[in-house]
Amino acid sequence: AQSVTQLDSHVSVSEGTPVLLRCNYSSSYSPSLFWYVQHPNKGLQLLLKYTSAATLVKGINGFEAEFKKSETSFHLTKPSAHMSDAAEYFCVVRYGGATNKLIFGTGTLLAVQP
Amino acid sequence: SQTIHQWPATLVQPVGSPLSLECTVEGTSNPNLYWYRQAAGRGLQLLFYSVGIGQISSEVPQNLSASRPQDRQFILSSKKLLLSDSGFYLCAWRHSGGGETQYFGPGTRLLVL
Repeated sequence: AQSVTQLDSHVSVSEGTPVLLRCNYSSSYSPSLFWYVQHPNKGLQLLLKYTSAATLVKGINGFEAEFKKSETSFHLTKPSAHMSDAAEYFCVVRYGGATNKLIFGTGTLLAVQP
Repeated sequence: SQTIHQWPATLVQPVGSPLSLECTVEGTSNPNLYWYRQAAGRGLQLLFYSVGIGQISSEVPQNLSASRPQDRQFILSSKKLLLSDSGFYLCAWRHSGGGETQYFGPGTRLLVL
């Protein structure tokens, strides 16, 4: 069965410092993994996705994530946080074949301090 | 380009009242459509998905139902709301011809009092 675990419910960083949001997955086969971002009272926006191509995936707004099969991880990083990065981030694994069901992590709330 | 709309944006309803939330997609044909609920402090839970008109699959037993009367319209309903129905409801679509990415609407915030 597929699942994702976001290891931190809250992360706080200072503006200009690196961001690390951790995600571990469980999948019985090669997974497709996504990171979505949700700003307050808004819908979800796709940041990036991994679908068995390059293990280092670059997304929008300077974010990237590295798929590490040996560690079953898909951590999200950004070299330098910006105030506008403050939002909730969801790690997602796909399952369900043709129906393309998604399983969401519980989310990590990122706070960026000035 | 494709866009997805949801309305209303916010809704406050008394317990026991009916519910109808609407989701429409523009710029694509025969999309796969999804309804999710996000409860406070939790991730998203898939409620329903549809691969075509009149075809609805339910993921969890609950007080809600879904319908797809038109190709690009997806409706979430309830006959009698419960307090536990409060949450943020998100609609999403995906290309039926392939591709794994789901694209989300702006959501509806529902508060049941």
